[in-house]
Amino acid sequence: SQKIEQNSEALNIQEGKTATLTCNYTNYSPAYLQWYRQDPGRGPVFLLLIRENEKEKRKERLKVTFDTTLKQSLFHITASQPADSATYLCALTSQAGTALIFGKGTTLSVSS
Amino acid sequence: NAGVTQTPKFQVLKTGQSMTLQCAQDMNHNSMYWYRQDPGMGLRLIYYSASEGTTDKGEVPNGYNVSRLNKREFSLRLESAAPSQTSVYFCASIRTGGYNEQFFGPGTRLTVL
Repeated sequence: SQKIEQNSEALNIQEGKTATLTCNYTNYSPAYLQWYRQDPGRGPVFLLLIRENEKEKRKERLKVTFDTTLKQSLFHITASQPADSATYLCALTSQAGTALIFGKGTTLSVSS
Repeated sequence: NAGVTQTPKFQVLKTGQSMTLQCAQDMNHNSMYWYRQDPGMGLRLIYYSASEGTTDKGEVPNGYNVSRLNKREFSLRLESAAPSQTSVYFCASIRTGGYNEQFFGPGTRLTVL
């Protein structure tokens, strides 16, 4: 069955550094992969989507890469700020194309 | 636009009680979803509705029923609540014509004693 893993539950970094979060998947070749941000007590918010034919996608301080050979996506936040502290979820569409499968998330803490 | 709204925000039930979680979206989206989120388990799909008049089971449908009342509203019902259904429930909808980017509601925190 399809499986999606985010390799660390928690990541602590200092303000100004680049945070890199990893998402790996198995038993599937998704057409695209998505990243969401979730703050405590709130629902996830869509951030970025990257298609299988795109190697890299950028939005302001965010960068996502997608390596379909490694079956891996990396999510980078450059010049991180305490306001970036949140849980970040990756998601891919199920093989039937009907729903999203989410990773368990990585909680990022940025200290000043 | 309010986006996706959910009621109630919090609820405490006793084992065996029933209740309905309400969800509505004002974005004219076709597809709507119900998830539960538990510590260490991530978001798991309970049911979804690809369009008005259709519903399908997700990964964890047991103990739940859904109704797609109209294009805007998608409700989740617990007929006989169990402690294992203690969770945070999220409703979401998909932007029509997009790449399945989901818009989530604020969640309902349910405790079953």
